[in-house]
Amino acid sequence: DIQMTQSPSAMSASVGDRVTITCRASQDINDYLAWYQQKPGKVPKRLIYAASSLQSGVPSRFSGRGFGTEFTLTISGLQPEDLGTYYCLQHNSYPWTFGQGTKVEIK
Amino acid sequence: QVQLQQWGAGLLKPSETLSLTCAVSGGSFSGYFWGWIRQPPGKGLEWIAEINHSGGTKYKPSLRSRVTISLDTTKNQFSLRVRSVTAADTAVYYCVRGPKYSSPDHWGQGTLVTVSS
Repeated sequence: DIQMTQSPSAMSASVGDRVTITCRASQDINDYLAWYQQKPGKVPKRLIYAASSLQSGVPSRFSGRGFGTEFTLTISGLQPEDLGTYYCLQHNSYPWTFGQGTKVEIK
Repeated sequence: QVQLQQWGAGLLKPSETLSLTCAVSGGSFSGYFWGWIRQPPGKGLEWIAEINHSGGTKYKPSLRSRVTISLDTTKNQFSLRVRSVTAADTAVYYCVRGPKYSSPDHWGQGTLVTVSS
């Protein structure tokens, strides 16, 4: 199985801060990577697909970059409603695997 | 607008069979995959299985012997069965849809399944 390692596992940032979450794959996954946001008690929501494509309806402060084994999700200007847990997902090869999640809290 | 509505028994005893169904409205089966993802309480997400519109299936190897995913295009539904459940199968189960070669873009509302004697 491909291992997806996210960092950090948790973070606290202030409104307006630039936040970056990293996801590293144990082997090359091309750009078969998505990012999901899960707010407390809610269903996960896709933010980014194909590593860098913004899902329709998602604010432009969210952006994704990367290819191969290293990927980042950046929130440019953290908002209070961005609190939650963020997960990366690789779908390059089966079984698909998620990162362990990054919990984002607002200071 | 595609909507996924799921249902199934929420409380099971060890060794019973988990059975969940997801109804699809507002979209075609062709060109998409249909799958299940679960999340144990307080933990992360785990991909379980998927099926495409032609009936081709993929399973997580560690669950393959106990899991069956199926598709009924006449009813616009797909289902998950997990045999011989244990407490380790306790989780919120989500049905999902995704475009071919892409990642899940639509999720069901989730069903909490608890396995307890």
